[in-house]
Amino acid sequence: GAVVSQHPSWVICKSGTSVKIECRSLDFQATTMFWYRQFPKQSLMLMATSNEGSKATYEQGVEKDKFLINHASLTLSTLTVTSAHPEDSSFYICSARRQGQETQYFGPGTRLLVL
Amino acid sequence: GNSVTQMEGPVTLSEEAFLTINCTYTATGYPSLFWYVQYPGEGLQLLLKATKADDKGSNKGFEATYRKETTSFHLEKGSVQVSDSAVYFCALRSLQAGTALIFGKGTTLSVSS
Repeated sequence: GAVVSQHPSWVICKSGTSVKIECRSLDFQATTMFWYRQFPKQSLMLMATSNEGSKATYEQGVEKDKFLINHASLTLSTLTVTSAHPEDSSFYICSARRQGQETQYFGPGTRLLVL
Repeated sequence: GNSVTQMEGPVTLSEEAFLTINCTYTATGYPSLFWYVQYPGEGLQLLLKATKADDKGSNKGFEATYRKETTSFHLEKGSVQVSDSAVYFCALRSLQAGTALIFGKGTTLSVSS
């Protein structure tokens, strides 16, 4: 199978601090990774698409300076929420896709609570 | 723009009942359609998919048929089990929109014995 992990699964931080979330493809090389955000009882909303070795493509309305995405290797992408505020509290989910394949494999998500 | 609308939950059923979760979509061109399932504490998993009109996706007893005339992709299962309790997401991928998936809000299914 194709397994994607996220770390941490759950983080609480103070307002103004930065939080880094890791997304790893454990048993395959992911040329493309996606970051989603999910509000309670809402659908997953795509935040950005990252291809290994290049800059991420952000969806309209997502602040690239606020949500820094790095996809430095074929198995790791990171999302850094900079200067987090309570409105950034949410469930962040990543997914990964092999080159040439359509199927996305999802991580279990990271719940962020900003106090 | 592209969007997915699925029925509000939660859906509560007894074991062996028939399940339907409605999903309709709006998209330009000819999207691929998907159902994902999220079990408690786990990531989303692809349940089934269909890539063109009249295709039927099936897996684990679940089925969904791509109906272009009604822009629908309803999920059905003839006899649900307690282990089917999860959140189900309908999604589409439009080539015009790149490789991104657009999700519905999700429908929570709870099956009791």
